[in-house]
Formats: sequence, C-alpha cells, structure tokens
Amino acid sequence: DAKTTQPTSMDCAEGRAANLPCNHSTISGNEYVYWYRQIHSQGPQYIIHGLKNNETNEMASLIITEDRKSSTLILPHATLRDTAVYYCIVRDYGQNFVFGPGTRLSVLP
Amino acid sequence: GAVVSQHPSWVICKSGTSVKIECRSLDFQATTMFWYRQFPKQSLMLMATSNEGSKATYEQGVEKDKFLINHASLTLSTLTVTSAHPEDSSFYICSVERGGPDTQYFGPGTRLTVL
Repeated sequence: DAKTTQPTSMDCAEGRAANLPCNHSTISGNEYVYWYRQIHSQGPQYIIHGLKNNETNEMASLIITEDRKSSTLILPHATLRDTAVYYCIVRDYGQNFVFGPGTRLSVLP
Repeated sequence: GAVVSQHPSWVICKSGTSVKIECRSLDFQATTMFWYRQFPKQSLMLMATSNEGSKATYEQGVEKDKFLINHASLTLSTLTVTSAHPEDSSFYICSVERGGPDTQYFGPGTRLTVL
C-alpha cells in the first residue's frame, strides 16, 4: 500500500502557483519523498525528490515540513501543459516505488 | 535523468496470440529494469523487476509463465505477454533506476489491446 495521502483532485488557474499537498505521517528517517506526474496516456515523469531540506529545480519546488510528516509540491507558474496526475511517493533505498491514486491537477485557462 | 524508450507504443492483437514489448535504456547501462501495468483509471502496479543476466523477480499475483521477461543486455529488457486475453489489455510501462538515491525514470508506455 502507498504510504502517502493526497487529495483526489485540485484545480489551479493558469499562471498561478499550484500547491499540491501530500501527507506521509509514517515516514521513516531514511525514506525520501519523490514526486512524479503522469500526463494522459504517457509514462510517469520524474519531477523532484528530497529527504529533509527543501528542494528546487527547473520544474518545481518541494517543501518538506520539519517533522517530515507532510510535503508540498509547488509549480510556480502553472500552464495548461501541467494538467496531469501527480504522485507523491515515499521510499527508502532499495524499496519499490508504490504508486497511490495521486492528485489529478486541472489547470484552467 | 535517463532516457527510456518502448516499442511498440501501441499494439492490437487477437486473443491467444503472444505479444512482445521492448524497453530500452538509451543513455546508460541498466542492470535493473522494472515493468508496471496500469489499467484504465487506476494507478501503476509493479509487475516485476528485471535483472540483467538473471531471472526476473515477479510481484505476488503476477504469473511468471504468462509474462515472460528477458533482460539480455544492459540496455534492453523485453516483456512477452503469452496467450494474451482481453483481460490483459492494459498500459504497460517500464522504468530504469539510476542516481543517488536511486530514482526511476519511465518509458512512454505501450498500450496493449487484446480483441
């Protein structure tokens, strides 16, 4: 079973920041938080991952709470092409990636 | 990252026939590849882990004699769905793992439709 809980769906206005939450209250010290997204009929795309510190790359920012029990993926300026299902996955080295149902993000014009 | 390709991108076959799906790691040598399937409106489910030069490891409930996996080289893994039936119709996706910590990078997927 997935170790994370995400909202089923979210809407975001084009050009605004999309903030996608994820709860992982049972995360252990060695487990990383990964984010992927899947655009319809495509394979999942890696976005970002982190352990304790906040992370930023060209796609997004990942904010992890101090107690590591939750995190937020931020798409700073959402576009229509960001419409996808976003998966938050908690995983330790050597463990399988377990995909939950994710959050269906709809970016609206 | 890593670049992963799959072939074919889609295939339609008759019930009872076998279908082979290829997964290639284009920019690095992958000792381990993973096969997932995704039914409509569901999430990805891991089917098996493909190890170069050795037998694949199958997840519980996945029939190893029905889903044959061959990882003959460090850049190619194949999944053969034998005696396919309509209930095998699904989206099959492979991935490779690289980096520190290991991050998986996914192929574009192959949509199988069994008539």
